[in-house]
Amino acid sequence: ELKVEQNPLFLSMQEGKNYTIYCNYSTTSDRLYWYRQDPGKSLESLFVLLSNGAVKQEGRLMASLDTKARLSTLHITAAVHDLSATYFCAVDGDDMRFGAGTRLTVKP
Amino acid sequence: AAGVIQSPRHLIKEKRETATLKCYPIPRHDTVYWYQQGPGQDPQFLISFYEKMQSDKGSIPDRFSAQQFSDYHSELNMSSLELGDSALYFCASSLDRNNSPLHFGNGTRLTVT
Repeated sequence: ELKVEQNPLFLSMQEGKNYTIYCNYSTTSDRLYWYRQDPGKSLESLFVLLSNGAVKQEGRLMASLDTKARLSTLHITAAVHDLSATYFCAVDGDDMRFGAGTRLTVKP
Repeated sequence: AAGVIQSPRHLIKEKRETATLKCYPIPRHDTVYWYQQGPGQDPQFLISFYEKMQSDKGSIPDRFSAQQFSDYHSELNMSSLELGDSALYFCASSLDRNNSPLHFGNGTRLTVT
């Protein structure tokens, strides 16, 4: 059964710093999603990664996928307060599976 | 650790039939969210409940209704099913509705034929 593990689950960082969120999954899949969720709001799609070696960037966020290692990363560059949210990865196998989420807090 | 449990995992119904999906949140979680994910689409928020009361409403059709019971489990009732209702339905729970992260169930895959 497909399992998705994210770490860290909680991340507190200062503005201007860089950090990486990791998403490991247990079985073969070629489709991985990253979502952002603000408190009380719906999921917002950030990236869809479809193939090994895929890298996508949007603003201060960059996501990559290594299907051989079954690992995706979400890298945050020069964090700003507006990035504070919970970030989920989700993997599309036979069914969709969500990670537990990483609660990011960016402090001034 | 206990996770969000959804049942059934798979459900096949015919057009115009009704379906009931169930969600059992993590113990002590008082907030439940329902999402619908169509093929190739992002999850769409349907409805949420906090302390057994409807908290927020998204793109839930009038043919659908939901409620949260005294034991905090929730049911999504779908009537007059249409082919377009075929989707993966996720339930998520959180410790409270403001700052706690969501914990997703594994979803119920509904197929309407």
